[in-house]
Amino acid sequence: QLQLQESGPGLVKPSETLSLTCTVSGGSISTSSYYWGWIRQPPGKGLEWIGSIYYSGSTYYNPSLKSRVTISVDTSKNQFSLRLNSVTAADTAVYYCASLVTYSYASGSYTPYWFFALWGRGTLVTVSS
Amino acid sequence: DIQMTQSPSSLSASVGDRVSITCRASQSISRYLNWYQQKPGKAPNLLIYAASSLQSGVPSRFSGSGSGTDFTLTIGSLQPEDFATYYCQESYTNTFGGGTKVGIK
Repeated sequence: QLQLQESGPGLVKPSETLSLTCTVSGGSISTSSYYWGWIRQPPGKGLEWIGSIYYSGSTYYNPSLKSRVTISVDTSKNQFSLRLNSVTAADTAVYYCASLVTYSYASGSYTPYWFFALWGRGTLVTVSS
Repeated sequence: DIQMTQSPSSLSASVGDRVSITCRASQSISRYLNWYQQKPGKAPNLLIYAASSLQSGVPSRFSGSGSGTDFTLTIGSLQPEDFATYYCQESYTNTFGGGTKVGIK
């Protein structure tokens, strides 16, 4: 059974880089069945999609975060990672990784439409000095 | 940008009640709308995708409807384990609604 687990530092200083890894178990990350993504949730608030990656390395990012985000994949380790630079207190959140299922495509393009099928448990990252 | 507005933001209901939650998109999203349930301290769980398709393993008391800009999640007969926060998500830009907290009356 597919499982996802986030890992990384729980505390990051302002202006530094937040780095998290999601380890996929119970299945291969190199599958055509899924994209892989990151979503975050500030304490007591709603959900925000950060970005997604395919095992081939193709990425999609939330435009509001795109200038600060890098998502990468390591198929040899069955992991994908998130880097968010120049963090501030507003980046304090629970960060989730998830598997994304493509259920359609945008008309006239290859842009996939996803739902977030399976989520990791999440990890709280606090930005504070 | 697509804005997703859920209403109400919270509601109180009793076990056995029929509950409906609405999600409105700022522009047409066809049927590219998904619903999630989140319990305190837990990750969200997919309930409905493509507006009305029930995810495998989700009880049949959950149903979804709508297209274009207006969507509804209905819980046919509220059970104790259904008290949670519910979120919609559109698949054009992956924007989530603000959530609807379903509490005990």
